[in-house]
Order: sequence, then structure tokens, then C-alpha cells
Amino acid sequence: EAGVVQSPRYKIIEKKQPVAFWCNPISGHNTLYWYRQNLGQGPELLIRYENEEAVDDSQLPKDRFSAERLKGVDSTLKIQPAELGDSAVYLCASSLQGNTEAFFGQGTRLTVV
Amino acid sequence: DQQVKQNSPSLSVQEGRISILNCDYTNSMFDYFLWYKKYPAEGPTFLISISSIKDKNEDGRFTVFLNKSAKHLSLHIVPSQPGDSAVYFCAAEETSGSRLTFGEGTQLTVNP
Repeated sequence: EAGVVQSPRYKIIEKKQPVAFWCNPISGHNTLYWYRQNLGQGPELLIRYENEEAVDDSQLPKDRFSAERLKGVDSTLKIQPAELGDSAVYLCASSLQGNTEAFFGQGTRLTVV
Repeated sequence: DQQVKQNSPSLSVQEGRISILNCDYTNSMFDYFLWYKKYPAEGPTFLISISSIKDKNEDGRFTVFLNKSAKHLSLHIVPSQPGDSAVYFCAAEETSGSRLTFGEGTQLTVNP
């Protein structure tokens, strides 16, 4: 069974440029999460979807970040414009609804210069 | 406000010995606790979990202990193996399948 797939693995952009990350969750998992992990810290939730509905986006900086999960499967996370402080690893995870265990993708390492 | 805290950034143990990783939390609403393992350049991998109604859960070499009154949990690895060398994250959530709140992580190194 394929795990959570994220792309790209690495991205380097200049500040003020836009960037997008893509996530394909495990088949059948209706819950999808985007986390951000800064260096030396644990992941922090940005947004959680139940199917196509964003049910927890309280930690998403909505002035520059947006996310969508069309058809309740794949998801994209966008930053526009990027700032230096956005440099981090962006992790996507998925789980069965109401299930404790979340499966993580390999992450996208973003460097903003 | 760090609700989940792992006070030891690193731990080094000898192969075959016990590894004990500790985690403290402040939010009394947390109901589920999980440990994740992370290798470099990979995403976190689920290791073991425990519900707040239990005080111990065991899975092979891995055992998690929960002390609710002290708001403390620990992960025991016995015996430790070099392949266990990784960053271990403690995480907690109020409701199953909701937001995971992670600690900062502990780098475990198991020396042959």
C-alpha cells in the first residue's frame, strides 16, 4: 500500500515569490493534515480536513497561506508571498476519520532566500 | 505556551540497554498520547500510543507508561538497538483524530 505522497521534496525560492505543495493521502483516509516543522521543534498543525471540509484552520496564517482539498482526496498548500520565516519542513499526514494514528509523508523542505 | 514538553534534547545509550524517553504535558484535556519516530529526511512514523484510561501499553520492545496525576509519560525501549537511533517525538491530542500537539523531540543514539 502506498503511503502519503508529497511533492516536491525540496524547494528553494526567493522571498515574496509564491510556492505550492501537493499531497496525496493514503487511499480511503478521509482526514488530511498539513503540519509545519521548524528546525529543532516538533510539527505544528496548520490545517485539518475532514473530506473536503477544513474543520480546524485556526493555526493557518490566512493572510498568506491557503489550502484546498478538492473532491476530498489530494490537497495543495500555497504560500503567497513567501517570507524568510516560512523556511521549514511542510508535512502532510492522513488518517481514517476519528483514528488516533496519523501517517505522515516525507515532507517538503522549503528554503526561502 | 508549550503544552507538550520533552526536556532532554538528546539521549545516548549502549546497545542492549534500556532507553527511557520522557515527556511532560500541561493540558489536562489531552486524552490520547502517541510516540513517533523520525529518521533524517523522512516524515515521522507512528510507534505506539496510549489512551488516558490506561497507564501502560506494550508492543514488543516498546512500552509507554502514563502517569496522569503527574502529567507525565515515558517510552521504554528494551533492548535498545542501533537501528533505534532517531528523533522521538511525544504527541498528544484531546480527541482521537483531531490536532496532534508535539513535543520538541529527543535525539536517541544507540551505540553498538
